[in-house]
Amino acid sequence: QKEVEQDPGPLSVPEGAIVSLNCTYSNSAFQYFMWYRQYSRKGPELLMYTYSSGNKEDGRFTAQVDKSSKYISLFIRDSQPSDSATYLCAMKSNDYKLSFGAGTTVTVRA
Amino acid sequence: DAGVIQSPRHEVTEMGQEVTLRCKPISGHNSLFWYRQTMMRGLELLIYFNNNVPIDDSGMPEDRFSAKMPNASFSTLKIQPSEPRDSAVYFCASSGTGIHGYTFGSGTRLTVV
Repeated sequence: QKEVEQDPGPLSVPEGAIVSLNCTYSNSAFQYFMWYRQYSRKGPELLMYTYSSGNKEDGRFTAQVDKSSKYISLFIRDSQPSDSATYLCAMKSNDYKLSFGAGTTVTVRA
Repeated sequence: DAGVIQSPRHEVTEMGQEVTLRCKPISGHNSLFWYRQTMMRGLELLIYFNNNVPIDDSGMPEDRFSAKMPNASFSTLKIQPSEPRDSAVYFCASSGTGIHGYTFGSGTRLTVV
């Protein structure tokens, strides 16, 4: 079993819809949770960073962490064609090693 | 800040040739990572440097792979000899003390024919 599980999709939604992405993990030592966005032929770009359980909002993006269920989510409201990308969850404990999910490819149709 | 800079962006080489990938981390960042990304395996950590010292190279697939960081502003990943199965996108990332997220470069797309 992988340490971080993420459904690779692909996910296709109409413009304006809410995009819902999630990851599960098995390592209870994980404390720091991130979402990266990767456009085609580009490097991953840090989108959201959260520590501990709860919600964090940044514009149209909301990240949720439920440590008791070992489950994290990213919601994108009012999705735009420019949100079309691969979204990777990532998490780490107190050491250096970042564990990535496989990434979910999202297409927002105009 | 120019971010993490990698070169070349694309590399096409013949099997058996030596390949050298280059990375300039963000100034002031003391951690540097080399990753490989493929469709089948996703992002794999190859090696991690802290303060220019290799700390974890357990992800380096074979002795054909080597990495160096001679100073805080430069690192190389070398493959010698290269094989077709090495074809992938190689990313360099850097991070600073107290920063938990990494900043990635744009990657080097390597094709070995």
